[in-house]
Amino acid sequence: EAQVTQNPRYLITVTGKKLTVTCSQNMNHEYMSWYRQDPGLGLRQIYYSMNVEVTDKGDVPEGYKVSRKEKRNFPLILESPSPNQTSLYFCASSSKPSPGRGELFFGEGSRLTVL
Amino acid sequence: AQSVAQPEDQVNVAEGNPLTVKCTYSVSGNPYLFWYVQYPNRGLQFLLKYITGDNLVKGSYGFEAEFNKSQTSFHLKKPSALVSDSALYFCAVRDTGFNKFYFGSGTKLNVKP
Repeated sequence: EAQVTQNPRYLITVTGKKLTVTCSQNMNHEYMSWYRQDPGLGLRQIYYSMNVEVTDKGDVPEGYKVSRKEKRNFPLILESPSPNQTSLYFCASSSKPSPGRGELFFGEGSRLTVL
Repeated sequence: AQSVAQPEDQVNVAEGNPLTVKCTYSVSGNPYLFWYVQYPNRGLQFLLKYITGDNLVKGSYGFEAEFNKSQTSFHLKKPSALVSDSALYFCAVRDTGFNKFYFGSGTKLNVKP
């Protein structure tokens, strides 16, 4: 089954304690990205990756890091989490756009609370 | 700069009536437009897209959307709403460099029996 898998789904942590949210896709997609969803703001892009070893900042990258060492994996790292990073996070992947392709496939989300 | 606007935070419709969820966009170049639906505690699910071709796009669950280049709109429609259509709907545009997706703020659709 084609899917994007995120872990953990739920996490409560404390300020400053480093954490990693993993993301893996099994569709051989070149493109992967991370979003955060906050009420009234929709989804905002944190980082994206066009392919292995190619990453770039989205609209809200502050406080986050990513890496793309393998095509299927794209972890999101919070080196020193703060309460304003409490949010719902989504990982997504996509192939290049063409008439039959190009949409994002989303994971189920990771709800993070930073105390 | 690319952007997407969903002017309505919430849309209320009675079951069996037609529904429209509005979306306007701003892009440089040809737009790649998408609609997604989100049910509570779930990820976003793809509904339909416009890449090229016919202006009327048909998607999942009986939804369709009309691409209007002159009005820069991509409204989501369904002829007859179901209670199970109640969810949060997002419009999105992919920039012409294929690097970034821009999402609207979402519209909550309430379908009442």
